[in-house]
This record gives sequence, C-alpha cells and structure tokens, in this order.
Amino acid sequence: SQTIHQWPATLVQPVGSPLSLECTVEGTSNPNLYWYRQAAGRGLQLLFYSVGIGQISSEVPQNLSASRPQDRQFILSSKKLLLSDSGFYLCAWNRVGDSKSRNIQYFGAGTRLSVL
Amino acid sequence: AQTVTQSQPEMSVQEAETVTLSCTYDTSESDYYLFWYKQPPSRQMILVIRQEAYKQQNATENRFSVNFQKAAKSFSLKISDSQLGDAAMYFCAYRSGPSGTYKYIFGTGTRLKVLA
Repeated sequence: SQTIHQWPATLVQPVGSPLSLECTVEGTSNPNLYWYRQAAGRGLQLLFYSVGIGQISSEVPQNLSASRPQDRQFILSSKKLLLSDSGFYLCAWNRVGDSKSRNIQYFGAGTRLSVL
Repeated sequence: AQTVTQSQPEMSVQEAETVTLSCTYDTSESDYYLFWYKQPPSRQMILVIRQEAYKQQNATENRFSVNFQKAAKSFSLKISDSQLGDAAMYFCAYRSGPSGTYKYIFGTGTRLKVLA
C-alpha cells in the first residue's frame, strides 16, 4: 500500500532562519507531488507541484522554493523565513495512470510552522 | 481560471439528522473531477467522495452523497444520519480532466458542527 510521510510535525523557527520540510511517498512510482499552505481558518493554497524529478511548477511568488531530488521525495525550503511564512503546510500526491484511483489526492499529516 | 466557492463558513446539524454543504465552481472545461475532503481537528485531510464530470449519476459513499448539477456548476454534499465524528472542516475541490493541468483548486471550507 502507498503511504506518505511528512516531517517534522511541528516547527518553531526564528525570522531569518532557513527552512527545510521533507515529504516522501512510498509504494508508488512517478507520483505527482504537491505542497500546500493552509493559513488559520482558511482553505488550501497551492504553492508548488511536480510531475517528475527536477520538474517544479510554482503557483505563487513567495519566499519559498521546492525541489524534487528523487522520484518520491519533495522538499520545501526557504533561505530566510518571514513572519508571514507561518502556517500549516501539507504535502500531497496523486497516482498517475491508474484509472480507478488516479486524480485522488492523498495528503500527509502536515507540518505546523511558527515563525517568531 | 477555475474557481471553487463554498459560501457557508459554518454549519450545524443535530446528531442523526441530515445536512447539506454547498459548493459551486466555475470552469469552461467539460471534463473534470470534483471532490469533497474532510479535515478533522487532527488536520489530516481525508477524501470523502469523488465525482467525475462525465458521469451523470451522483456519487454515494455510505452516509455521504452528492448532488452534482453540471449545468448549474453545483456540487453539494449531503451527510445523512450525522455522527459526532463527522464534525470537521469540509473542503470542496476541483481538478481538471486528463487533458488539463495537474492542479487542484480548493474552496475555503465549511466548518461542520454536530450537536449531541
């Protein structure tokens, strides 16, 4: 079966510090991968998505970047965090090619980031 | 660009009663997918139900069913026999069909309270 791991679960970082959030998927190959941010009481904002290794699409201009160094690994980074980067970050994946379950997004447990 | 609107920030339902959550969307595409996701207090996103736009029959999953009105671009979720465990944020989501982009667009969510 497929599983998605996202860590850390909680992170408190000072303004100006770097960030690295990691997401890995097991049990599938060549998934589409996504990073979302959810502000308090708000919906999900798509930040990045990737359809393959090294292929990253950015949805909104921001202080963050994403990388996909391996097929099932997706990393969200920042060189210098801002207060506005605080939020709940979700990684997600969907299967490509299987007609029954493709297009369903499966989510990680999320990372709560507080920038102080 | 596609948009998803959930006009009910919060809804309440008595345990064992039925509640309907509203969702409307805007698109010029004819082939797409619609989803309802549930986010309980743990913040883990869970798929509730999925609808393919080319299917006229409304999707059902146990106590959950949808009313899909393609011409009206409406996709409401009905929860029957509401249970305390149904209390959560519910998000409506849209995804383009196979020939479209890989992006998922989420509404701002409806918080459902279940009263004992």
